[in-house]
Amino acid sequence: GQQVMQIPQYQHVQEGEDFTTYCNSSTTLSNIQWYKQRPGGHPVFLIQLVKSGEVKKQKRLTFQFGEAKKNSSLHITATQTTDVGTYFCAGSGGYQKVTFGIGTKLQVIP
Amino acid sequence: SQTIHQWPATLVQPVGSPLSLECTVEGTSNPNLYWYRQAAGRGLQLLFYSVGIGQISSEVPQNLSASRPQDRQFILSSKKLLLSDSGFYLCAWRSAGQGRQPQHFGDGTRLSIL
Repeated sequence: GQQVMQIPQYQHVQEGEDFTTYCNSSTTLSNIQWYKQRPGGHPVFLIQLVKSGEVKKQKRLTFQFGEAKKNSSLHITATQTTDVGTYFCAGSGGYQKVTFGIGTKLQVIP
Repeated sequence: SQTIHQWPATLVQPVGSPLSLECTVEGTSNPNLYWYRQAAGRGLQLLFYSVGIGQISSEVPQNLSASRPQDRQFILSSKKLLLSDSGFYLCAWRSAGQGRQPQHFGDGTRLSIL
């Protein structure tokens, strides 16, 4: 079945440093979604990428979808303490379910 | 607007006891519904999903079961809980389609088995 791998699992950064998490799928994806889960909370949808090579920005967050639609990345510029949480990618092959990556837990040291 | 309700928020149960977690969605019809489990510090494991009333797809063989008695109601059950059933259980819904809709999660149930 479809597998979505995400690295790193954990990342500690100093406040102000950049952060990137990477997502790779074993199969070509129809789309990829990114979610953020704050400590103690539930995952919240951030964005969806659909087109090959697509790049989207949300303030300090930049999301990319690979040309082959098998990988994606989330980059945060100049992290802040409010960025703390676990970031999940979720890939869909076009069916009723999505496959979540294991998540990257981000800690920001003030 | 659509909302999702999941309860209880926390639950402590002894090994061998039964379980029933309920999830309801408002403001939409015929949603796809999902149950996930998240072990401490781990990712999201899909347990069950449903595309309609009475339709349940199981992703992981285990002692849990799911039912969808009404269009916007999704129930996770067990007849006898195991220690390994501890975790954070999340219900989610998504508009029906071909996988291009985001999932919206409930607040989750923290289940501890003693």
